Amino acid sequence: SQTIHQWPATLVQPVGSPLSLECTVEGTSNPNLYWYRQAAGRGLQLLFYSVGIGQISSEVPQNLSASRPQDRQFILSSKKLLLSDSGFYLCALNPPGGGEQYFGPGTRLTVT
Amino acid sequence: AQKVTQAQTEISVVEKEDVTLDCVYETRDTTYYLFWYKQPPSGELVFLIRRNSFDEQNEISGRYSWNFQKSTSSFNFTITASQVVDSAVYFCALSEAGQGAQKLVFGQGTRLTINP
Repeated sequence: SQTIHQWPATLVQPVGSPLSLECTVEGTSNPNLYWYRQAAGRGLQLLFYSVGIGQISSEVPQNLSASRPQDRQFILSSKKLLLSDSGFYLCALNPPGGGEQYFGPGTRLTVT
Repeated sequence: AQKVTQAQTEISVVEKEDVTLDCVYETRDTTYYLFWYKQPPSGELVFLIRRNSFDEQNEISGRYSWNFQKSTSSFNFTITASQVVDSAVYFCALSEAGQGAQKLVFGQGTRLTINP
C-alpha cells in the first residue's frame, strides 16, 4: 500500500526566511501529487498539483512555489515567508488513473 | 465553479446518539466524485469514502452510512451509535471525474464532539 512521508512535522520560521517542505511517497509509481494548505480554523485549499516529473500546476497566486524533481518527491518552497503563510500543509496523492486521494501526516508551519 | 457547503460548524452529542453531518455541493460537471474525510486532533486526513456521481446507492460501513441524493445535491453522512473516538472534524469534498488530476474542493468542515 502507498505511504506518504512529510517533513518536517512542525516548523517555526521568521518572516522573510526561506522555506522548503518535502513530501515523498512509497508504494506507487507515477502518482498525481498535491499540496493543500489549511489555515487556522478554515477548510483546505489546493495550492499545487503535479501529474508528472517537472509538471506543476498552480491553483492560486501566492508566495509559494512547488517542484517535482523525482517521480515520488514533491517539494513546496518559498524565498521569503509571509505571516499569512502560516498553516498546516498537507501532501496528497492519487493513482494516475483516478481513485481515492490519500493524505500525508502534514507539516505545521508557524511564521513569526 | 465548484462549491461545497457544510452548514453545521459544530455538533455536540452524547455518546450512543446518532448524528448526521450535512453536505451540499454545487457543480456544473456531469460526472464528479464526492468524498468524506475525517481529521482527528493529530491533523492527518483519513479517507472515509468516495462516491461516483453515477452511483446514487446509499452505502453503509459498520456504524457509518452515507446518503447521496443527486436531486438535492446532497451527500450526508450519518454515524450510528456514536462513540467518543468519533470526535473529529469531518470534511466533505468534491472533484470532477476523469483521468487527469483530482482537484478536491473542500467544505469548511464540521467539528463533531461526542461526549461520554
